[in-house]
Parts: sequence; structure tokens; C-alpha cells
Amino acid sequence: GNSVTQMEGPVTLSEEAFLTINCTYTATGYPSLFWYVQYPGEGLQLLLKATKADDKGSNKGFEATYRKETTSFHLEKGSVQVSDSAVYFCALSDLQGAQKLVFGQGTRLTINP
Amino acid sequence: SQTIHQWPATLVQPVGSPLSLECTVEGTSNPNLYWYRQAAGRGLQLLFYSVGIGQISSEVPQNLSASRPQDRQFILSSKKLLLSDSGFYLCASRFLNEKLFFGSGTQLSVL
Repeated sequence: GNSVTQMEGPVTLSEEAFLTINCTYTATGYPSLFWYVQYPGEGLQLLLKATKADDKGSNKGFEATYRKETTSFHLEKGSVQVSDSAVYFCALSDLQGAQKLVFGQGTRLTINP
Repeated sequence: SQTIHQWPATLVQPVGSPLSLECTVEGTSNPNLYWYRQAAGRGLQLLFYSVGIGQISSEVPQNLSASRPQDRQFILSSKKLLLSDSGFYLCASRFLNEKLFFGSGTQLSVL
């Protein structure tokens, strides 16, 4: 079945550092890929998405490129801020039938000033 | 856009007691509905999904059940809670190919 594997956390960085959170997936067909973010005390919200190979999703300075050859969708940001501290979830959806989203285990990111 | 109402926000229940968590959706018709659980230190696990009234699919064997009595209402239940049912429960909704909208969640502690 479909699955998502994320880089284990927690990850702690200093402000303005470069961020990479790795995500790889296993899926049949051509899923859409997503990054969701959960800020402290809030619900999950969509950060970015990509629907086909070589697509790049971007939002709030974050980027992720859909790499079919390596089955990856790594999240990157060039200069993180304290306000980026949150839990990040990689997910995939096959957009068929029930359109189920399968999530990775989440990566907790803490940015220190 | 869709709005998900989920309640209660927190719940403390003794082992063996029943459970009923309710989720209602506004802003769409005939959405796909989902119940996820986020256990402490773990990721999001899909528990149930529904593509229509009365249609429930279970992803994992467990002590819980789900029902969809109305188009925009999704209920998570248990007859007798276990300690292992503790976690953060999220209801989500999706219409066609739109993004998944999440409710604010219910933190359930079974003691």
C-alpha cells in the first residue's frame, strides 16, 4: 500500500539556518504530494503541494519538488525564522475514490533565536 | 471554503466508558470525510473514511467505530474505551480535488 517516510525529529536549528526535512514515499500510480504544518496550539493546515512529477510547490519561503525518480518530496527553506517552529507532515494522496491522504509520522522543528 | 466543527476540544474519560465525538462540515456538499488519530510521539493515522451517507470504511482494526447519519455529519464512537484510545483525534473533509480541511481536534485522555 501507499506509505510516506519522513526524517525523524526533533530538529533544532538556529534562526536563519537552512532547513531540509526529508520525505520519501511508496505509491502505486501517480499520487499528489503535500506538506502540512501544525503550529503550536493550532490545527493542521496545508503548506504546499505538487500534483505531478517535477512540479515545485512553494509557500511562505518553503519549497518542495516532486521527484519521481527518487520518490521524494523534501521540504526546504533557505532561512528559517522562530515562527517556523511547528510539526511538519509529508503526505500523499492518490486522488482516486475516497482520496485518502496518507501521512508521514511528522517532524517537530524548533527554531532558536 | 469548508469549515469543520469538531467538539469537544478536550475530553477525559475513564477506561470502559463510552465515547462519542462529533464532527460537522459547512461550506460544501457530499464531501469525503475522515477521522485521523495522532497518538503521542507518532504521526497521523487514518482510522475511518466515508464517501457518502451511511458509507464507512475502516483502515485499521480497533476499538472504535464511525457513522455518518447525515451528509455533513461524521461521528466517532466507542462502547468501551481502552487506555490505548488516548490521542488527538482530527476530523477532516475533502470535496473533489480540493485540499483536505481539518477540524481543530479533540484531545482524548483515557485514564
